[in-house]
Amino acid sequence: NAGVTQTPKFRVLKTGQSMTLLCAQDMNHEYMYWYRQDPGMGLRLIHYSVGEGTTAKGEVPDGYNVSRLKKQNFLLGLESAAPSQTSVYFCASSYGAGVNQPQHFGDGTRLSIL
Amino acid sequence: QQQVKQSPQSLIVQKGGISIINCAYENTAFDYFPWYQQFPGKGPALLIAIRPDVSEKKEGRFTISFNKSAKQFSLHIMDSQPGDSATYFCAASDNDKIIFGKGTRLHILP
Repeated sequence: NAGVTQTPKFRVLKTGQSMTLLCAQDMNHEYMYWYRQDPGMGLRLIHYSVGEGTTAKGEVPDGYNVSRLKKQNFLLGLESAAPSQTSVYFCASSYGAGVNQPQHFGDGTRLSIL
Repeated sequence: QQQVKQSPQSLIVQKGGISIINCAYENTAFDYFPWYQQFPGKGPALLIAIRPDVSEKKEGRFTISFNKSAKQFSLHIMDSQPGDSATYFCAASDNDKIIFGKGTRLHILP
């Protein structure tokens, strides 16, 4: 039972390049989330999904797109990478939201934009 | 607008001491208040959580104190150990998502 798996673990991009981060969960969770973590800023929600085929914007959605074509996968795309998107990206999943519905996190993708 | 304010930003405590991290929230619709613990190179993991109809919850050395009228809650780590050195995030949840505080980096001196 792997939990939440993020691919890749590290990546270096040049400004303007595009890439997709993959998140996979094997817990049959309905909800999935993408966060970015920057020093002194905590975890900020980029986009989230409350079920297969659904997506919604979080706190910092600009410059990112997401897709949830399969229940177990949540993809985060950067169409034209910018240095401001250098960050550690975390994916999380949960059965639901609110009381007694903890989020389970992956170990992150460290992304550098040159 | 920062909906969950966390302090201090960093904390150093002697082994065996009590570590205290405080959080304040603004939105009275929040109905779930978890704390997450994060070790370097890892994702956050749920440590302990509380509902607003409870004033205190204890799990081992970890205790959440909740003050609904003041819209504040805190994490107390009793008998702090070097293995507790990590970053701690308070959070508040309503509907579909969780709002995290900015985190507290805790270091326990051996």
